[in-house]
Amino acid sequence: KQEVTQIPAALSVPEGENLVLNCSFTDSAIYNLQWFRQDPGKGLTSLLLIQSSQREQTSGRLNASLDKSSGRSTLYIAASQPGDSATYLCAFAYSGAGSYQLTFGKGTKLSVIP
Amino acid sequence: NAGVTQTPKFRVLKTGQSMTLLCAQDMNHEYMYWYRQDPGMGLRLIHYSVGEGTTAKGEVPDGYNVSRLKKQNFLLGLESAAPSQTSVYFCASSPRNEQYFGPGTRLTVT
Repeated sequence: KQEVTQIPAALSVPEGENLVLNCSFTDSAIYNLQWFRQDPGKGLTSLLLIQSSQREQTSGRLNASLDKSSGRSTLYIAASQPGDSATYLCAFAYSGAGSYQLTFGKGTKLSVIP
Repeated sequence: NAGVTQTPKFRVLKTGQSMTLLCAQDMNHEYMYWYRQDPGMGLRLIHYSVGEGTTAKGEVPDGYNVSRLKKQNFLLGLESAAPSQTSVYFCASSPRNEQYFGPGTRLTVT
């Protein structure tokens, strides 16, 4: 069974700092990787999607990378802002019964201090 | 374009009662999923569907049933609710790759 680990579980940084969130997985036979953001009491918002054939994706201040050989993905947030405070989840999709099921990590709770 | 919507947003049930959670999507996606999110456990897949009229079990299917009679709707049923089913339930849909999530239903079973 695919296992997904996110480190750290919580992170507090001052505004303006660049930061990296880590995600590791045990099975390299993945189909794709998604990073999500979840605000308290809300649903998940998709931030970035990386296909297994890609190495990274960028959207604004966010950059996600994927290294299948080491079983790791990172989410880089540049010039952090208080509005970035949320829980960030990574999830890996593997093709099972044609459904591309997601396996989630437990998330990193980010607090950006003004 | 509403995306993925879930009904109801909140519900309190007594043990043994039944209910149905409704998920609707207006993006013409083939795949739909039901997850539950519990503290310390992360999100876990309950059931999923790869198209209208199809359903399949996920990681934690016991105590739940699902139906997908129309492509845009995916229903999650609890026939006899138990306190262990207290959770936040999320629905998601996908054209194939990227999954899009609804706002969630917070269910409490007393």
